[in-house]
Amino acid sequence: GEDVEQSLFLSVREGDSSVINCTYTDSSSTYLYWYKQEPGAGLQLLTYIFSNMDMKQDQRLTVLLNKKDKHLSLRIADTQTGDSAIYFCAESKRDSSYKLIFGSGTRLLVRP
Amino acid sequence: ETGVTQTPRHLVMGMTNKKSLKCEQHLGHNAMYWYKQSAKKPLELMFVYNFKEQTENNSVPSRFSPECPNSSHLFLHLHTLQPEDSALYLCASSHGTGKTYEQYFGPGTRLTVT
Repeated sequence: GEDVEQSLFLSVREGDSSVINCTYTDSSSTYLYWYKQEPGAGLQLLTYIFSNMDMKQDQRLTVLLNKKDKHLSLRIADTQTGDSAIYFCAESKRDSSYKLIFGSGTRLLVRP
Repeated sequence: ETGVTQTPRHLVMGMTNKKSLKCEQHLGHNAMYWYKQSAKKPLELMFVYNFKEQTENNSVPSRFSPECPNSSHLFLHLHTLQPEDSALYLCASSHGTGKTYEQYFGPGTRLTVT
């Protein structure tokens, strides 16, 4: 199967929290990332977490890592229409020179 | 504006054409990357250059030929492509490779092969 898996689509109402989930298969992953891609643009790094951490918070973004289940999530608090985009989960490992392995992306639609 | 520019933004080419994609970064980075983004598929790393030297070729067909004349410029030369090569081609750069250096992406070139 895929190294990194994500659900394809998520729709939330403006002001609600969004939770985007990701699973990965390689327990030796060193870093896990969340990227955002807006229409017509490249990818923008939102945040990353080292594999020995459980949680990282950055303003409206909270990343949770469950190493046992190989599950990563991105929570966006107070979701705004400007948060509508595709969100990519990615992993990297020291033994593959930290190449990024991406999931297929989750399209987040924020409804007014 | 990420400091990584790509031209052209859109390209339509026939299977017998030869064209080139250009990427330029104004960030003083030493590593540059080509990625392919196809519909409903994960982003695929194609090539990596570090200090102008190719350090990664991810089993890319020879009809894609990269060139990195200096650390600021990266080209992808295209010839005799197939319709399945239609995709968004993204360029990225970073300070280096081998650690968790943040990669800065350009907006991409939308390629359509007819």
